[in-house]
Amino acid sequence: SYELTQPPSVSVSPGQTASIPCSGDDLGDKFVNWYQQKPGQSPLLVMYQDSKRPSGIPERFSGSNSGNTATLTISGTQAIDEADYHCQAWDSDAAIFGGGTKLTVL
Amino acid sequence: EVHLVVSGGGLVQPGRSLRLSCAASGFTFDDYAMHWVRQAPGKGLEWVSSVSWNRANIDYADSVKGRFTVLRDNADNSLYLQMNSLRPDDTALYFCVKGDYGANSGAFDYWGQGTLVTVSS
Repeated sequence: SYELTQPPSVSVSPGQTASIPCSGDDLGDKFVNWYQQKPGQSPLLVMYQDSKRPSGIPERFSGSNSGNTATLTISGTQAIDEADYHCQAWDSDAAIFGGGTKLTVL
Repeated sequence: EVHLVVSGGGLVQPGRSLRLSCAASGFTFDDYAMHWVRQAPGKGLEWVSSVSWNRANIDYADSVKGRFTVLRDNADNSLYLQMNSLRPDDTALYFCVKGDYGANSGAFDYWGQGTLVTVSS
């Protein structure tokens, strides 16, 4: 079955750029979506179809997808961006999630 | 504003059944696919099931296939998840999720608050 792999954790200093990778076989051939989840809250869609931002998501969030890796990038990271980030794609009529990455802003 | 209000969770013994309900409002319900996603305590997200806008396409994760049934009532703006033969590893927070278009393969653009299902004797 198809798998998406994310690092368990990424750390970034405030104001710097955070890059969160998500890898899978030929992932570039699929659309990847990203969800932000803060403790005790439901997930929030922050990126869809690789690089499209939903209404209300700050411009500092961007996305890319090529080859075997999709990346969510947060420029000028702020403390409020500290959260778990989950990538997701579809394969054979099943939605697949990565294991999630905890972004720490310190 | 989109609202997805989930109910029906609780403590249930292994092998028993439970039915989750999701009341949707704030959008044209029968234009969009709807989904169930769950999250075990301290774990990541796991997709459970999807139903397209017209019920023509219904998909399940292998882990629940044959035990769970997803239903939607477009006249009542409601989504349901009938869960039979529950197992301890079904213990999770269950989210009702709106798709971003009618087919099952889009993004999950709005999430309900989740309801906790605990399977234990």
